[in-house]
Amino acid sequence: SYELTQPPSVSVSPGQTARITCSGDALPKKYAYWYRQKSGQAPVLVIYEDTERPSGISEKFSGSSSGTMATLTISGAQVQDEADYYCYSTDSSGGVFGGGTKLTVL
Amino acid sequence: EVQLVESGGGLVQPGGSLKLSCAASGFTLSDSAIHWVRQASGRGLEWVGRMRSKPSKDATAYAASVTGRFTISRDDSKNTAYLQMTSLKTEDTAVYYCTRVLVTPFDYWGQGTLVTVSS
Repeated sequence: SYELTQPPSVSVSPGQTARITCSGDALPKKYAYWYRQKSGQAPVLVIYEDTERPSGISEKFSGSSSGTMATLTISGAQVQDEADYYCYSTDSSGGVFGGGTKLTVL
Repeated sequence: EVQLVESGGGLVQPGGSLKLSCAASGFTLSDSAIHWVRQASGRGLEWVGRMRSKPSKDATAYAASVTGRFTISRDDSKNTAYLQMTSLKTEDTAVYYCTRVLVTPFDYWGQGTLVTVSS
């Protein structure tokens, strides 16, 4: 079955840029979507179709994709950006999430 | 205001059945695809299945882990979607979310409903 691979954790200092990667064989042909989930809350869409930002999402969030890897970039990360981040994409049978990346800002 | 509200979760024994509901407001459910996503405690998100907005032979699709046991349906008159779960296993224990695809995937989510499978 299709898989998306993310690093389990990423850690940065406040004000630094955090980059979270998502690798998958179908990503050259399929869009990646990114969701932020804070503890006890439902996920929130932060990037769609590789690079697009929904209205209401801070400009600090950006996305890119090249080959089999999609990347979520959080510029000037702050403590309030700490959360779990998931990539999502589709395959022939439905959808798949990456395993999630815990972002720590300290 | 767009809202999705799940209900129907609870405690069920292994081998039992449960039917979850996802009531939509602020939009017409049949205009969108509805997906179910679950999350076991301390674990990541797992895609469970979806129903497309338009009837077709592949209108529904499911994750391999639930195929043959879970069924997604929709009652347009009630603007509500359902997840019928049968032959439940302990590993099905999770918070179950419904979410929609209208233009972009999963722009709105419900608050989730907890399903616990235990004897």
